[in-house]
Amino acid sequence: GAVVSQHPSWVICKSGTSVKIECRSLDFQATTMFWYRQFPKQSLMLMATSNEGSKATYEQGVEKDKFLINHASLTLSTLTVTSAHPEDSSFYICSAVGPPTSGSYEQYFGPGTRLTVT
Amino acid sequence: SQQGEEDPQALSIQEGENATMNCSYKTSINNLQWYRQNSGRGLVHLILIRSNEREKHSGRLRVTLDTSKKSSSLLITASRAADTASYFCATRNTNAGKSTFGDGTTLTVKP
Repeated sequence: GAVVSQHPSWVICKSGTSVKIECRSLDFQATTMFWYRQFPKQSLMLMATSNEGSKATYEQGVEKDKFLINHASLTLSTLTVTSAHPEDSSFYICSAVGPPTSGSYEQYFGPGTRLTVT
Repeated sequence: SQQGEEDPQALSIQEGENATMNCSYKTSINNLQWYRQNSGRGLVHLILIRSNEREKHSGRLRVTLDTSKKSSSLLITASRAADTASYFCATRNTNAGKSTFGDGTTLTVKP
């Protein structure tokens, strides 16, 4: 099946610094990718929809200037957490919409990136 | 707010028993997917069921969808300790659109 990778798998940074997380579709092209955030013992919350070559669409309550998304190619989307604070510590998961199979478009999820801000 | 609600929030069973998890949603959907997540890990896709389908099987998994009740269920038969994980339903209102996740059910299968 289609594979989505994320890098790094975990990162620790100091408060006030910025962190970039990469999401790559390894064996397919994805015009659309999604970024989710998951706090401990909670469900996934959609942060934004990333479309190749255009601006990302952010969900209500998500600060676009704080969470910068760049989808510069059909296989790469990046999420940059700017001026990170401890409350930004979370598990960030991306997904990519794969090619249709039997008329359905599956979402393929990356393994996630655990961000800890100290 | 989340589209889906799942119940139970937590389920503990003995190995060999069946586990049933339910998901309810609020708006019309194009498809519904079930995912599994081991603690601290990414999501594993289990099954996708389209809005015009009522039931799907995959190995020990059986998913039903009742669009009139806006609900779905995931049945895991003959559970194993390795099935211990969190299970999420996710709905999409278009074929390739964003997924909205339910709150999840934490399943513990005791050996």
